[in-house]
Amino acid sequence: QKEVEQDPGPLSVPEGAIVSLNCTYSNSAFQYFMWYRQYSRKGPELLMYTYSSGNKEDGRFTAQVDKSSKYISLFIRDSQPSDSATYLCAMDSSASKIIFGSGTRLSIRP
Amino acid sequence: DGGITQSPKYLFRKEGQNVTLSCEQNLNHDAMYWYRQDPGQGLRLIYYSQIVNDFQKGDIAEGYSVSREKKESFPLTVTSAQKNPTAFYLCASKAGGYYGYTFGSGTRLTVV
Repeated sequence: QKEVEQDPGPLSVPEGAIVSLNCTYSNSAFQYFMWYRQYSRKGPELLMYTYSSGNKEDGRFTAQVDKSSKYISLFIRDSQPSDSATYLCAMDSSASKIIFGSGTRLSIRP
Repeated sequence: DGGITQSPKYLFRKEGQNVTLSCEQNLNHDAMYWYRQDPGQGLRLIYYSQIVNDFQKGDIAEGYSVSREKKESFPLTVTSAQKNPTAFYLCASKAGGYYGYTFGSGTRLTVV
């Protein structure tokens, strides 16, 4: 079993829809949870970062962490075609080495 | 502007050749990482270095080598022992404390 599981998609939604992206994990030592966005043929960029459980909001993006269920989510409100990318969840226990999910490919239809 | 520069953007390797991918950062970050990305497999860690003159193997280090002689530089050599080197290679760095990784724009390596 992988330490981090993420549905690869592809996920296609109409513009303006709410998008929900999710990851599950098995290592209860993870404390730092991140979401990265990667456009085609580019390096990933850090989108959201959360320490331990709870919610964090930044504009149209909300990250949720439920450590009791070992489940993290990223919500995108009012989705735009420019949000079309691959989204990678990532997590870390010791702040030295990050474990990444395999990524979910998201497409927003105009 | 601070950032990570990877070069070249595209690289072609003949069978049996060693090639070196460059990674330079001007962020003054202590830790640097090399990842390999294949379709459907996410990012896999090859090597990482937390200080100059020290580095550790990641999950898929076989067929690769690195050096860390300067804080700013962390080159990756893909040797002829790496049987399936065609992939997208990403270099990243991280500051002390915790702020996530900063990634370079990647090098796409193809065996011809």
